[in-house]
Formats: sequence, C-alpha cells, structure tokens
Amino acid sequence: DGGITQSPKYLFRKEGQNVTLSCEQNLNHDAMYWYRQDPGQGLRLIYYSQIVNDFQKGDIAEGYSVSREKKESFPLTVTSAQKNPTAFYLCASSGTAQETQYFGPGTRLLVL
Amino acid sequence: SQQGEEDPQALSIQEGENATMNCSYKTSINNLQWYRQNSGRGLVHLILIRSNEREKHSGRLRVTLDTSKKSSSLLITASRAADTASYFCATDAAGTASKLTFGTGTRLQVTL
Repeated sequence: DGGITQSPKYLFRKEGQNVTLSCEQNLNHDAMYWYRQDPGQGLRLIYYSQIVNDFQKGDIAEGYSVSREKKESFPLTVTSAQKNPTAFYLCASSGTAQETQYFGPGTRLLVL
Repeated sequence: SQQGEEDPQALSIQEGENATMNCSYKTSINNLQWYRQNSGRGLVHLILIRSNEREKHSGRLRVTLDTSKKSSSLLITASRAADTASYFCATDAAGTASKLTFGTGTRLQVTL
C-alpha cells in the first residue's frame, strides 16, 4: 500500500523543547517537502529536498531544521527558536521537480 | 509570500449547482495545479494545467488558464455535499525548480 505517512497525528511541545515530526514515503519519490499551515491560511514552504543528503530552505525556515539521510524519510525538527510553532504541518513528496505533490495526513503541533 | 490568491475566500451553494473558484498569480509559471483539502486532512491533487494549455477537464472538474491575465478558474459542475472542502491553487513558477507556491484557498460549502 503505497503512500506518505506522518506521525504523530498530534504533538505537544513544552516551552524551550525541540520536537521532531516524522515523514515517511514508499512512493520512491526523489523530492520531499515540509509545509506549515495556519488556521484559514494557505501552505507555506519550510524546507524541501530534491535528493538524498541535500535540502534547501523554503520561505519560512527560521526555527526549523531537517535531514535527508534516506530517500524514504524527511524528518522535521521544530526547535526552541521557533517562537510560534502552533500550526498544522504537512509533508509532501513528488517524483521529479515540477510534478504533482502527494501529501501526508498532517501533524498538528500544539504548545503547552 | 503567496503567489496565488483565490477568489472568493468562501463560497456556499446548494447541491446540484455549479461552483466556480478563481486564482490569480503574479509571475510567469510552468504549470498551475489545483488541490483539495478536507478539514484537518492533507491535500489531494485534482488537476494540473501547463502554461501552454488553455483548458482541461477531469470528470466534473473544468480548469481554465489565461496566462495573459495570470489567472485560472476551477469549475465544479453538479456539486455534491461531498465536495465540501477547501480548494487551493498552486503555481510552479518559471525558474524555481521543484517549488510550488500555494494560494490562500477557497472554502466551499455545499448544502443539501
């Protein structure tokens, strides 16, 4: 059953804590993306990776970090430097540049 | 910054009516895509139209693209309650390989 998965579905962060959101795909896609969505808003690009061991900053990378050690995995860390992390985080993948993106179900991050 | 702006922000229609959503963008594009998002879920790709195409159909969906006006429209014919969702346009701007920029979305409510 091919697809893209994200975990956890809900994540709670305490003040000053780093948290990591998981994104895994078994679609054999080269490119992967992380977006942030605030209530009633569109998606904003945080980071993207076109190939293993390489990634680029998106429009709102400050306070976030990523790694791409495996083709299937693109975890996102929300660091303590991100002062307003409460949002819905979406991961996506695509086969090649400029193609359709396939999205995971999302992780909702809340601050305690 | 947002490349695409959808209009209207919200649309409420009755089942069986047609729904039209518009998207305007700012820079030259390679292609434009429409996605659908049910509340609290990931995005699902609906249709992609390339810059050299003017119209495309998929089932009850019809998309038009006017590159001279930098605008696109999505028409959903004979709408159903299950079409209730937010709809986003996304542009693949020329010269920005692998990056999609999403609009702010149109929230469609289809009532029985």
